[in-house]
Amino acid sequence: NAGVTQTPKFQVLKTGQSMTLQCAQDMNHEYMSWYRQDPGMGLRLIHYSVGAGITDQGEVPNGYNVSRSTTEDFPLRLLSAAPSQTSVYFCASRRTRGQGPDTQYFGPGTRLTVL
Amino acid sequence: GQQVMQIPQYQHVQEGEDFTTYCNSSTTLSNIQWYKQRPGGHPVFLIQLVKSGEVKKQKRLTFQFGEAKKNSSLHITATQTTDVGTYFCAPRGGKLIFGQGTTLQVKP
Repeated sequence: NAGVTQTPKFQVLKTGQSMTLQCAQDMNHEYMSWYRQDPGMGLRLIHYSVGAGITDQGEVPNGYNVSRSTTEDFPLRLLSAAPSQTSVYFCASRRTRGQGPDTQYFGPGTRLTVL
Repeated sequence: GQQVMQIPQYQHVQEGEDFTTYCNSSTTLSNIQWYKQRPGGHPVFLIQLVKSGEVKKQKRLTFQFGEAKKNSSLHITATQTTDVGTYFCAPRGGKLIFGQGTTLQVKP
């Protein structure tokens, strides 16, 4: 299993540009989520999904859109990038059914800079 | 999601010293998870605590869940340079909201 994969690893955008951060998992997990991490701010939840076709907002959803058309993929769209969106973005997934701890698995992250 | 406060935010210790980070909530938690993030890396699951008063050990790491299930702690005995990183707690809920984390620096 590849686990959770994210592309790209690094990205530089100009203010106003749009882009999509890709996230995929091959563990058949129902739950997927996006976090951003800024120095001193910890991990903040942007959006999450409990299954294909279902998404919901997290703590800091403004400026981001998500969709979940398949179990495997959960892309994050920046509609009009702003310097305040410069951050490291992590995608994560976990199962929601079954026995034992529902470990959340994180991807390696995308480092985004908006100029 | 349930909110938690982690203290301290930063901790510098000499190698060999002990280290403790605390995770506090104003509400009762159903369970809590702990994660570690190495510098430049991504968070990695360490453990999940479920029962009131639960204590779990992983080598030099001891995790506790309070009797009232409102707080939790992670204690590292005799720190090593490999312990460097940020430790996060996260109350397990519908959406996983993380505490701000405690960043540990270890001086060799």
